[in-house]
Amino acid sequence: QKEVEQNSGPLSVPEGAIASLNCTYSDRGSQSFFWYRQYSGKSPELIMSIYSNGDKEDGRFTAQLNKASQYVSLLIRDSQPSDSATYLCAVCAGTGFQKLVFGTGTRLLVSP
Amino acid sequence: AAGVIQSPRHLIKEKRETATLKCYPIPRHDTVYWYQQGPGQDPQFLISFYEKMQSDKGSIPDRFSAQQFSDYHSELNMSSLELGDSALYFCASSSTTGAATQYFGPGTRLLVL
Repeated sequence: QKEVEQNSGPLSVPEGAIASLNCTYSDRGSQSFFWYRQYSGKSPELIMSIYSNGDKEDGRFTAQLNKASQYVSLLIRDSQPSDSATYLCAVCAGTGFQKLVFGTGTRLLVSP
Repeated sequence: AAGVIQSPRHLIKEKRETATLKCYPIPRHDTVYWYQQGPGQDPQFLISFYEKMQSDKGSIPDRFSAQQFSDYHSELNMSSLELGDSALYFCASSSTTGAATQYFGPGTRLLVL
């Protein structure tokens, strides 16, 4: 079992819809959680970071963290075709300066 | 804003050859991380450095070595290359004086023939 689990998808949504991406992790000591977007052949690009339980909003993106359930999610509102990419959930054991453990990523397809 | 710089961007080597990948972190970032991403896989942590000292080690083969220099740039040295080493190699950097968020460079695509 991987330390960080994601549904590989693809998750298909129409333009303008809300895309919901989910991630679970196994290490209860994890402190830092990140969502990265990765286009094919490109490097991971940071979308959101979240450290405490609850919601964190940034523009069209909302990250949700529930440490009791070991669950992290990312909501993308008003999805655009340019959002089509692989979204990687990454977990860090400490508050930082330690390795990121990635999930296998969820491929999102936004159709015009 | 300045980003992480990696060189070369593409590299083609033969089996059993050596390769050196370079990483220049974001200015004032003092921690460097190396990740390997195989085709269709998620990035896997190899090794990290803080203030020129190795801070963590992951699934890095013994054939690979790395170091961080006084100007904080880092080099990943890969010897006796194997076909399975073909992958994207990413360097990321972070700062201990701010949020520990890791920012990734554009990567080096290594192809071993």
